[in-house]
Amino acid sequence: DGGITQSPKYLFRKEGQNVTLSCEQNLNHDAMYWYRQDPGQGLRLIYYSQIVNDFQKGDIAEGYSVSREKKESFPLTVTSAQKNPTAFYLCASRLQGAWSDTQYFGPGTRLTVL
Amino acid sequence: DQQVKQNSPSLSVQEGRISILNCDYTNSMFDYFLWYKKYPAEGPTFLISISSIKDKNEDGRFTVFLNKSAKHLSLHIVPSQPGDSAVPPCTGTASKLTFGTGTRLQVTL
Repeated sequence: DGGITQSPKYLFRKEGQNVTLSCEQNLNHDAMYWYRQDPGQGLRLIYYSQIVNDFQKGDIAEGYSVSREKKESFPLTVTSAQKNPTAFYLCASRLQGAWSDTQYFGPGTRLTVL
Repeated sequence: DQQVKQNSPSLSVQEGRISILNCDYTNSMFDYFLWYKKYPAEGPTFLISISSIKDKNEDGRFTVFLNKSAKHLSLHIVPSQPGDSAVPPCTGTASKLTFGTGTRLQVTL
């Protein structure tokens, strides 16, 4: 069955290390997105990609990097430059039709920097 | 600049009654609005959406109303069920989604 998978569910990292969060979708959606959620805040957009080999910065891209080499995959790297990386990270893909526009979300990865 | 605002942080409703969640927005470029169901530490689950050219969309227990002149949305859930207890964020979309912070909905027995 189709869906979006994120792995791992929980991730721990030492300060100063880069870490890559995985996001895979088999929904054949062109667009994919990365968000982070912090307590008491709405989801904030980090990066998004409308098509393979192309991506754009979102509202809080500093300290993050992405790649989109395949339609199914949109990994997010949290670099050591990200000042406050501990958060809940959500990946999504988007289906736009003539009369609809829906994003489907993965289960999320909780990153904790020790 | 918070483009999507949900001014009520929480709402408590008795099971079987109507829940009304409100949302105001400032970005007139939004072409769709979406409501999600959101539990802590989980990804959002799509509930219902409405195109900016409509003023109402209904799907089962969920109805969303859009008042473009007032830049106001509301989600009606009737009858409310305990499983509806979550923090549904209101979301506007143009080239990307913009999320509100959500209203913590608690449906009591």
